[in-house]
Amino acid sequence: AQTVTQSQPEMSVQEAETVTLSCTYDTSESNYYLFWYKQPPSRQMILVIRQEAYKQQNATENRFSVNFQKAAKSFSLKISDSQLGDTAMYFCAFSGTASKLTFGTGTRLQVTL
Amino acid sequence: GAGVSQSPSNKVTEKGKDVELRCDPISGHTALYWYRQSLGQGLEFLIYFQGNSAPDKSGLPSDRFSAERTGGSVSTLTIQRTQQEDSAVYLCASSAGSWAGELFFGEGSRLTVL
Repeated sequence: AQTVTQSQPEMSVQEAETVTLSCTYDTSESNYYLFWYKQPPSRQMILVIRQEAYKQQNATENRFSVNFQKAAKSFSLKISDSQLGDTAMYFCAFSGTASKLTFGTGTRLQVTL
Repeated sequence: GAGVSQSPSNKVTEKGKDVELRCDPISGHTALYWYRQSLGQGLEFLIYFQGNSAPDKSGLPSDRFSAERTGGSVSTLTIQRTQQEDSAVYLCASSAGSWAGELFFGEGSRLTVL
């Protein structure tokens, strides 16, 4: 079974600064996808970024980018130029051939002035 | 509708009562998921429907939990004889079907069992 580990329960960053959220996973599959989801206080989860395991190039979406280290099974999220609206829970997730998303326990990010 | 709709948004019930939680996915989405999120915890997979295939029920925590999806659209999660440990937010999500695709989540149903 796949496991996803987020070792940082809470993090804080000042507005305009850069922060990196960590995620590691364990799987025996070679073909899979990794995701970062954001859950603002309103509760609705939204997709931030997605990475295909077979792609070496790290995914980027505007201020959000990932550092995907396949051999190390590491998938960190970097948020540049942090904004107050980035305050949320961030969940790392794995999807393999079993089709169901497996989530980590989340990192609560607080962006401060 | 434009997004995944869940009802009720909040439900308070007494221990031992049955509850039904409803999910209306995005029109045309063939895949539907139920997750449970307890306070301070991640998302726990409950059940997955894909088209007309038999659902993946491997995440249901006990036989008190069941779910159905009628006509490939609306889904109902039923919890019988509720216990206090069932208190959580129940999230529904749908996707266009690809296992690599984006999940669209509803706002969840917060269940409190007294």
